Amino acid sequence: DVKVTQSSRYLVKRTGEKVFLECVQDMDHENMFWYRQDPGLGLRLIYFSYDVKMKEKGDIPEGYSVSREKKERFSLILESASTNQTSMYLCASSPLGAAKPPLHFGNGTRLTVT
Amino acid sequence: AQSVTQPDIHITVSEGASLELRCNYSYGATPYLFWYVQSPGQGLQLLLKYFSGDTLVQGIKGFEAEFKRSQSSFNLRKPSVHWSDAAEYFCAVGFVMDSNYQLIWGAGTKLIIKP
Repeated sequence: DVKVTQSSRYLVKRTGEKVFLECVQDMDHENMFWYRQDPGLGLRLIYFSYDVKMKEKGDIPEGYSVSREKKERFSLILESASTNQTSMYLCASSPLGAAKPPLHFGNGTRLTVT
Repeated sequence: AQSVTQPDIHITVSEGASLELRCNYSYGATPYLFWYVQSPGQGLQLLLKYFSGDTLVQGIKGFEAEFKRSQSSFNLRKPSVHWSDAAEYFCAVGFVMDSNYQLIWGAGTKLIIKP
């Protein structure tokens, strides 16, 4: 089975902390995604990566950065966490190809910033 | 601007009854169309997708969806729901804008199953 694993299921952080969310996939997929999920808003793309060290901003990149040093790992970084970043974060992966929809999702990390 | 609408926030259906979840989009050309399901505490799972060809698409778990160009819709259907279908369902639509591909998500429909 394809696995996309997010390192933490729940995280509680303080305002101003630097936060790392880790995601690992085991299918050798080129594409990896970080989404934020909020009730009534669906999923919003934060960042997308199509290869090692390659990244593209999504719809809401402000306050976030990403790192992809290895193909299987895609990290989301909150440089200085704020309360409005309290949310569910979903990582996903897919193989390279046209339309590139995210194919496999992790179970999510619910982040609370206090 | 391109948009995706799932008009129903919640739908309640009796177990064994048929189901139709609505998805409408706003776009000038034929987009790529997807349905995902998110079970409680889980990530999303791709149910089915439409790129071109036959407008009736079969997916996993007994779901199907029909693309209707004239109505700009891609509604998800299942003839008989099971309690395990209780989940949140998301429609997503892929567009090409300014030579860039974008995927826009609906807000989701939560399916509640009555025993």
